[in-house]
Amino acid sequence: EAEVAQSPRYKITEKSQAVAFWCDPISGHATLYWYRQILGQGPELLVQFQDESVVDDSQLPKDRFSAERLKGVDSTLKIQPAELGDSAMYLCASSLGQGSYEQYFGPGTRLTVT
Amino acid sequence: AQSVAQPEDQVNVAEGNPLTVKCTYSVSGNPYLFWYVQYPNRGLQFLLKYITGDNLVKGSYGFEAEFNKSQTSFHLKKPSALVSDSALYFCAVRDPYGGATNKLIFGTGTLLAVQP
Repeated sequence: EAEVAQSPRYKITEKSQAVAFWCDPISGHATLYWYRQILGQGPELLVQFQDESVVDDSQLPKDRFSAERLKGVDSTLKIQPAELGDSAMYLCASSLGQGSYEQYFGPGTRLTVT
Repeated sequence: AQSVAQPEDQVNVAEGNPLTVKCTYSVSGNPYLFWYVQYPNRGLQFLLKYITGDNLVKGSYGFEAEFNKSQTSFHLKKPSALVSDSALYFCAVRDPYGGATNKLIFGTGTLLAVQP
């Protein structure tokens, strides 16, 4: 069964450092999402891509976060500089595209900022 | 604004007994509703969805959910719980008028604990 791949699974970094996460969606899925899940809460959307274009990044803290999906396949989410409050699980998800509403999630990257 | 509420932080049930995990929603228009399950240190797994049609939706692992428009609810159910069902369950709603935005708005989650 095809899965969304994410790396690394765990990341510990010091505040003010840069950190990057990678996601490879299910093959053929045009839509890719990055969510942030703070412990004890549900995931919140950071950014949604349709192919290589950003559809929604209204909740992305653009002063420190950036996301790209240059060739419309895999994607990178970057934080620079990291802050203590960024400690969370970062989840990537993908879906087929327009008219397909269920999203398939990767295992996530657990970020700890010290 | 679209939202979902999961009124119970935790649900305890004995193995073999029926289980219900509650979800209510607040959406303008017809809602698109979802249930996901999350095991420790894992991503979310899709269980089932309601878009339109039959109010009783069947999903993975024997789970089902009933859409009730008058009560604005979408409770998750299973006739006979297994210890392996113990996990964190999330209800989510998609804005039906979101256009290209397919953002899911999640509840805070309900921890299901099934005792042997």
